[in-house]
Amino acid sequence: KAGVTQTPRYLIKTRGQQVTLSCSPISGHRSVSWYQQTPGQGLQFLFEYFSETQRNKGNFPGRFSGRQFSNSRSEMNVSTLELGDSALYLCASSQEWDYEQYFGPGTRLTVT
Amino acid sequence: GESVGLHLPTLSVQEGDNSIINCAYSNSASDYFIWYKQESGKGPQFIIDIRSNMDKRQGQRVTVLLNKTVKHLSLQIAATQPGDSAVYFCAENYGGSQGNLIFGKGTKLSVKP
Repeated sequence: KAGVTQTPRYLIKTRGQQVTLSCSPISGHRSVSWYQQTPGQGLQFLFEYFSETQRNKGNFPGRFSGRQFSNSRSEMNVSTLELGDSALYLCASSQEWDYEQYFGPGTRLTVT
Repeated sequence: GESVGLHLPTLSVQEGDNSIINCAYSNSASDYFIWYKQESGKGPQFIIDIRSNMDKRQGQRVTVLLNKTVKHLSLQIAATQPGDSAVYFCAENYGGSQGNLIFGKGTKLSVKP
């Protein structure tokens, strides 16, 4: 079974721009979560989607948003990029009844 | 690696020795805990989990211990190998939806051959 895939793997953007990251969960997984990883703050929960609905949201500004499609694929969007948004963005998927999350390799976003 | 913190606690062990990585979790209401391993350039990889109604769980070469009294979690790795070198994170879920994990800061394990 294929793992969680994330595209693109690397991205360089300029302050003020916006970016969209994509995540394809493991087949059959309906829950998708997003995390931001930085050296200073570590791994922080962004949001979780299940059956196209946002089920939970972390403590991030409204510039961070996401959505999930009917095939469980998910996207996250960051608008008006700031230098501090430079991070590794990780997506994880899980079964409906399972807490165990499977992570993708992440998208490395650099904001200049 | 690109995914690790700049000032992570580091544990350095000799190949073949046992490793113990500790974690203090934050919420006494947490009912599920996981240990993840993250190698440079990769996403976290599941190692082992434990629910709050247990105090010990064993896997292949790994054991997780949970002490709810002091909100402490530990990961024991037997016969540590060079391939175990990575950053290890504990994570907790305190009854929120399954997708909301709260991660610790991580510990970097370095195995000397």
